[in-house]
Amino acid sequence: DAKTTQPPSMDCAEGRAANLPCNHSTISGNEYVYWYRQIHSQGPQYIIHGLKNNETNEMASLIITEDRKSSTLILPHATLRDTAVYYCIVVGGATNKLIFGTGTLLAVQP
Amino acid sequence: NAGVTQTPKFRILKIGQSMTLQCTQDMNHNYMYWYRQDPGMGLKLIYYSVGAGITDKGEVPNGYNVSRSTTEDFPLRLELAAPSQTSVYFCASSSPGLAGGPDTQYFGPGTRLTVL
Repeated sequence: DAKTTQPPSMDCAEGRAANLPCNHSTISGNEYVYWYRQIHSQGPQYIIHGLKNNETNEMASLIITEDRKSSTLILPHATLRDTAVYYCIVVGGATNKLIFGTGTLLAVQP
Repeated sequence: NAGVTQTPKFRILKIGQSMTLQCTQDMNHNYMYWYRQDPGMGLKLIYYSVGAGITDKGEVPNGYNVSRSTTEDFPLRLELAAPSQTSVYFCASSSPGLAGGPDTQYFGPGTRLTVL
């Protein structure tokens, strides 16, 4: 599975959009980009995933560049409860194994 | 649905003791996983199972054993506890993805284990 690179930490003001970047320059054609988050001491929680197209659900939007080498997770109106570690994970088409890096610690400030 | 449940929430073991971490899911998922998470690190896969009676090793299987006799349960066994096994353990489950793609994993709340 391709490795990902994320900034170790980011701050965001409450009510503003949080944009979390992820580089996955070695991604291959059948690999998906998944985002999970982990609020302190809890189990990881699925947020969103995509293959080529941009995706949106009730939690977030995922923007994938045309060359698929990077993506951005967007939380449109961050709240204090969105403070968490966000993991960007690339997963092969035929495997379910998640390889977690150290993620990005997003701190939403009041 | 309760989702994925894990027991116990916390446990302290002495070196050399053994214990079983329990994991149960009520979503009728075929796939189940065990991860460990050390402080400040991401999760590492210990073992996984694609169905009852089938298990396979992940990244860090040494010192652990698993079994999968039912779809719902996937216990993790530590035979001779060592301080290096002090960690938070998460169980997860999933169903095969649509159109051959990967699927979403649902995680339990974790078991915090300390070995002294």
